[in-house]
Amino acid sequence: DTGVSQNPRHKITKRGQNVTFRCDPISEHNRLYWYRQTLGQGPEFLTYFQNEAQLEKSRLLSDRFSAERPKGSFSTLEIQRTEQGDSAMYLCASSLQGIGEQFFGPGTRLTVL
Amino acid sequence: RKEVEQDPGPFNVPEGATVAFNCTYSNSASQSFFWYRQDCRKEPKLLMSVYSSGNEDGRFTAQLNRASQYISLLIRDSKLSDSATYLCVVNPPSNSGGSNYKLTFGKGTLLTVNP
Repeated sequence: DTGVSQNPRHKITKRGQNVTFRCDPISEHNRLYWYRQTLGQGPEFLTYFQNEAQLEKSRLLSDRFSAERPKGSFSTLEIQRTEQGDSAMYLCASSLQGIGEQFFGPGTRLTVL
Repeated sequence: RKEVEQDPGPFNVPEGATVAFNCTYSNSASQSFFWYRQDCRKEPKLLMSVYSSGNEDGRFTAQLNRASQYISLLIRDSKLSDSATYLCVVNPPSNSGGSNYKLTFGKGTLLTVNP
């Protein structure tokens, strides 16, 4: 499968714990995006990378959230001290240079108890 | 005003019906426009880009009216397999006025096509 992959697909954690998600983009794509989607809403932009550089962060991305893309390939999204409000689907997408189609991964569904 | 607003839905239509989705966006400097489709518990997938001249892909027709900041999607001869949530998506300019690669999604409109 040469699409965007995300791991894990599901994560259940207790409030206050830290979690980390991984995204592997389509191999030749240099842009990588993170979005969050809650029930009944469209995805909301969190942050994006061009190669290894993080170029924009949404106000939704509090200090508890950090994203990296150390070698310009896969990316990780870490949430520290999780809160119940962090429960959502976290979607990763990738695209080629330019304003082109963004291809989404299957998402990681986070449930914070 | 929300950045992207869509018909709230849901829409329930019989097979073969024609259904129209409407969407408005707030930033007149927005540069690119799309319709994405999202099946239940799946990721969004691009259905079609929307161009100023209007564009058609089989049973699907997309229209853009920049003056009214309005986007539409028309599905003709709807099929059971068209049942999904349809997301209106806009690519607004960055705060500096330059290119911006993030997508702004509407809430989506759920379509159910019934046999």
